[in-house]
Amino acid sequence: QVQLKESGPGLVQPSQTLSLTCTVSGFSLTSYNVHWVRQPTGKGLEWMGVIWTGGSTDYNSALKSRLSISRDTSKSQVFLKMNSLQTEDIATYYCARGLTTEGIDDFDYWGQGVMVTVSS
Amino acid sequence: DIQMTQSPPSLSASLGETVSIECRASEDIYSNLAWYQQKSGKSPQLLIYYASSLQDGVPSRFSGSGSGTQYSLKISGMQPEDEGVYYCLQGSKYPYTFGAGTKLELK
Repeated sequence: QVQLKESGPGLVQPSQTLSLTCTVSGFSLTSYNVHWVRQPTGKGLEWMGVIWTGGSTDYNSALKSRLSISRDTSKSQVFLKMNSLQTEDIATYYCARGLTTEGIDDFDYWGQGVMVTVSS
Repeated sequence: DIQMTQSPPSLSASLGETVSIECRASEDIYSNLAWYQQKSGKSPQLLIYYASSLQDGVPSRFSGSGSGTQYSLKISGMQPEDEGVYYCLQGSKYPYTFGAGTKLELK
């Protein structure tokens, strides 16, 4: 069945780089897009970016200068890297599968999320 | 960026009551709107896509409607398992943007 699972360090020092991995199963990264969404504790959801089936990416303009999404299709893994982390980046980070209907993506499967704290 | 204004921020409903949640977009989003439910401590789940299409496996008491800039989610007959936070999401333009959420509780 379809599964997504985020992994990565739960603690990052201020100004350092966050590196997360989304490992997927039950579908191919060349057939479905994968999005990243984050949620500060007790707050709402923020779309971060997407890697398309062809390997190209789109990012939230608010994060674009710090964010990079890539993948390894042979390992069914999608990677998120975000530099210059600050306390406002403390959040749960989710990856989600994009199901394209009527030309846009809806997120039909989500990972469990990984909580990231920024602290020295 | 397209702004999504969601209302109300919270509401409390009795068992069996019909509930409506609204989202207003800052510009026409051409029905490119989805609704998600997030239960406490869990990942969001897709309920409705393209404004009014019910995702597989979602109970039929959930329905969506709207066009242009105004959209709504209706729950026809509140159930205990419907407690959670509901978010709208526009996919008409990048960046995708979520509403601020509506916390729904059982009275």
